[in-house]
Amino acid sequence: GAVVSQHPSRVICKSGTSVKIECRSLDFQATTMFWYRQFPKQSLMLMATSNEGSKATYEQGVEKDKFLINHASLTLSTLTVTSAHPEDSSFYICSARGGGSGRSDEQFFGPGTRLTVL
Amino acid sequence: SQELEQSPQSLIVQEGKNLTINCTSSKTLYGLYWYKQKYGEGLIFLMMLQKGGEEKSHEKITAKLDEKKQQSSLHITASQPSHAGIYLCGADKEGAQKLVFGQGTRLTINP
Repeated sequence: GAVVSQHPSRVICKSGTSVKIECRSLDFQATTMFWYRQFPKQSLMLMATSNEGSKATYEQGVEKDKFLINHASLTLSTLTVTSAHPEDSSFYICSARGGGSGRSDEQFFGPGTRLTVL
Repeated sequence: SQELEQSPQSLIVQEGKNLTINCTSSKTLYGLYWYKQKYGEGLIFLMMLQKGGEEKSHEKITAKLDEKKQQSSLHITASQPSHAGIYLCGADKEGAQKLVFGQGTRLTINP
């Protein structure tokens, strides 16, 4: 299947600093990527939809100034958690739609990034 | 309120036994996705269902979507330790692939 990577896989930072997480589609072009967060033992919650070349669309309750999303190319979307605080500690997962060969309806997920804010 | 209900929330079965996980929505869905997740890792795509009454199988896993496109089931035949993990159903409510997930079903396989 199509491969989506995330970097870093784990990050620990001090409160007040900013952290950037990258999401890449390795073998296909993704016009749309999605960012989710997952708290321990809970399900995934959609944060925002990232479209290449345009502004991200945020879900209700997600602060756009805190979670900056950039989708500069068809294979890369970045999520920057600005001025991170301990309550931002979570598991962040991206996904990308498409994969060519008629698989545009499938959605492939990255391995996730565990953020710990001290 | 939970938009997608999964049942059961956890399941422990003996290796070799069959099992079924259910996913129910109060609204008609554009698409229904099944994923498997190991704790602290990403999601592995299993199957996607879009048509009412659709059924798909891959190896020992079969997923069905009912005619009304509001309920799906995931059935595993002759379970193996490799099937252990968290199974998540995700629903595409708007046709834009913005997925809403169920709370997950934690599956344990006892040898």
